[in-house]
Amino acid sequence: QQQVKQSPQSLIVQKGGIPIINCAYENTAFDYFPWYQQFPGKGPALLIAIRPDVSEKKEGRFTISFNKSAKQFSLHIMDSQPGDSATYFCAASMGSSNTGKLIFGQGTTLQVKP
Amino acid sequence: NAGVTQTPKFRILKIGQSMTLQCTQDMNHNYMYWYRQDPGMGLKLIYYSVGAGITDKGEVPNGYNVSRSTTEDFPLRLELAAPSQTSVYFCASRDSNTGELFFGEGSRLTVL
Repeated sequence: QQQVKQSPQSLIVQKGGIPIINCAYENTAFDYFPWYQQFPGKGPALLIAIRPDVSEKKEGRFTISFNKSAKQFSLHIMDSQPGDSATYFCAASMGSSNTGKLIFGQGTTLQVKP
Repeated sequence: NAGVTQTPKFRILKIGQSMTLQCTQDMNHNYMYWYRQDPGMGLKLIYYSVGAGITDKGEVPNGYNVSRSTTEDFPLRLELAAPSQTSVYFCASRDSNTGELFFGEGSRLTVL
């Protein structure tokens, strides 16, 4: 129940393509869903996050789509660029808890070809 | 503003040795976490702390210990290192207003 399942494990797209990364969760108590971006040799950094009271959130070229009934959420990267090549992690937590623990998905390695 | 600083960046240990991974943050965050990252496995929570003097186990605590004597520091202790502890370790602190985690750059540990 505490798992977050992420797919695909890896993804290759051409520049300008729209990679989509999907995540699914079981615990309906989760109420905070961030995406983290990690470049080689660096720690993950927050990219964008959503709470379940909205179905979509956009920040620049990055969009989260959230389907509460299906317990799924996804990251779309519009007009992808070679600089977007990185590992992406979805995560979930119970914001109302007093620990702030994030449960991470397995990660998706994205390569954007020039 | 340094954020979260981890040392060392790289370390090779022999089986049975012990060591401490250091983590310091300068953002006055109460919440701090230790994760390990293994290929294809994502990030797994080892231990966390909600404030000075308070720590608790995460998903994979076996073989590790932590302490939190100050708000700034959250060291991770490995006792009797085993090959299964070969991993990249990340320390993070959390902004309790936004929920955002700030990660260090990681410590790559190899146990031979």
